[in-house]
Amino acid sequence: GAVVSQHPSWVICKSGTSVKIECRSLDFQATTMFWYRQFPKQSLMLMATSNEGSKATYEQGVEKDKFLINHASLTLSTLTVTSAHPEDSSFYICSAGAGTARGSGNTIYFGEGSWLTVV
Amino acid sequence: DAKTTQPNSMESNEEEPVHLPCNHSTISGTDYIHWYRQLPSQGPEYVIHGLTSNVNNRMASLAIAEDRKSSTLILHRATLRDAAVYYCILRIQGAQKLVFGQGTRLTINP
Repeated sequence: GAVVSQHPSWVICKSGTSVKIECRSLDFQATTMFWYRQFPKQSLMLMATSNEGSKATYEQGVEKDKFLINHASLTLSTLTVTSAHPEDSSFYICSAGAGTARGSGNTIYFGEGSWLTVV
Repeated sequence: DAKTTQPNSMESNEEEPVHLPCNHSTISGTDYIHWYRQLPSQGPEYVIHGLTSNVNNRMASLAIAEDRKSSTLILHRATLRDAAVYYCILRIQGAQKLVFGQGTRLTINP
């Protein structure tokens, strides 16, 4: 079946540095991908919609200058957390839809998630 | 997005059936009912979806009320590997964006 892969699975970075997380659709093309963050014991919170070849669409309250999203190809979206701080430590998850967009026939697949710890 | 309501947690025993309820009283005619589950430290995993009729697949069954204001995910014979957070989500036809509620944390006792 369709697979979405994230890299790295976990990363530790120092405060003030930037860290990039990749999201790849391995056997299908995705013009749209989504980025979520999840704090422990909480649900997933949608951060932004990543659009291939154009700017990302951010949800209300998400700082676009802090969470830079690039979707340069049909199989890769990247999330860069800039000037990271300890409060940015979280589980970041991406998703993409495979198949046609008509009806609900295309299943949404999620990456394995990436743990970010800022120290 | 139409909202769903689920119990925060449920508990069951291994090899017994589990019925996970979801209320979605504001569902619209174009909303599909989707269920995903999330195992610890993993991304969510698709379980099943339906529109009006009950649905079965190898993972679970989905029973949808006649008025579509509620649904129930049925795990016929729970195993320890079914312990996860289960999310009931309404998805507009053709949309890829999923908005997650709080979900139900399912515990399976050996």
